[in-house]
Amino acid sequence: NAGVTQTPKFRILKIGQSMTLQCAQDMNHNYMYWYRQDPGMGLKLIYYSVGAGITDKGEVPNGYNVSRSTTEDFPLRLELAAPSQTSVYFCASSLPGTGGRSPLHFGNGTRLTVT
Amino acid sequence: GQQVMQIPQYQHVQEGEDFTTYCNSSTTLSNIQWYKQRPGGHPVFLIQLVKSGEVKKQKRLTFQFGEAKKNSSLHITATQTTDVGTYFCAGRSNDYKLSFGAGTTVTVRA
Repeated sequence: NAGVTQTPKFRILKIGQSMTLQCAQDMNHNYMYWYRQDPGMGLKLIYYSVGAGITDKGEVPNGYNVSRSTTEDFPLRLELAAPSQTSVYFCASSLPGTGGRSPLHFGNGTRLTVT
Repeated sequence: GQQVMQIPQYQHVQEGEDFTTYCNSSTTLSNIQWYKQRPGGHPVFLIQLVKSGEVKKQKRLTFQFGEAKKNSSLHITATQTTDVGTYFCAGRSNDYKLSFGAGTTVTVRA
C-alpha cells in the first residue's frame, strides 16, 4: 500500500494563478482531510470529507475548494492564489472508527509558495 | 470553537535529560491523539488516549490524559537525538474533526 500520496511536492505560483493539489489514498478510508501548516501555528483544517460526494468546511476554507467524486481522491483547488496561501499543505485520511477515534494517516505534503 | 493550546512552543534539551510538553483544551475532549513530525517530514501518529486519567507508555515516552479530559501531557525520559522533531497533540470533541495544538519543537544538545 502506498498510503496517502500527494502531488506535487513543491510548487511556486504567481499571485492570481490557480492550481489543484492532488491527494489519493489506497487504504479505503472514508474520511479525508486537508490541512495547512504554517510555522508555529500547528495544523489548520481547510476542508474535510466523510465519504464520496460529501464535503464540508473546516477552520480556514476561504480561497479553497474541494471535491470528492471517489473514495480514493480528494483534490484541493486554489483559485486566485494569494501570498497568504503560502504554506505546507497536508492531506490525511482515516477510518471513521468508534466515536471517531481512528488515527490520521498523512501524506508527505505539498510546499506551496505564492509570489 | 474548540481550541487546543500546547506549551512550551520550543524545548531545548540536553541529551539524557527529561522533559514534558503540555496540552490544554477549552472544552472537554472525547479523546486526544499525539503525533510526531520529524524535520521536513509529515505528522505520524504516536498514540491515542480515551479514558479519564489514562496513562500509556511507549518505551521512554509517557502519555497522560487528565481526569477532566481537558488536558494531556507527554513526558520523555533520557532524551535522545532521535527524539528531535515537533510533537503535536490533537483533541477531538466531535466525530471527525481534530483540533491540533501548535506543537512543541524539540531540539537536543549532544
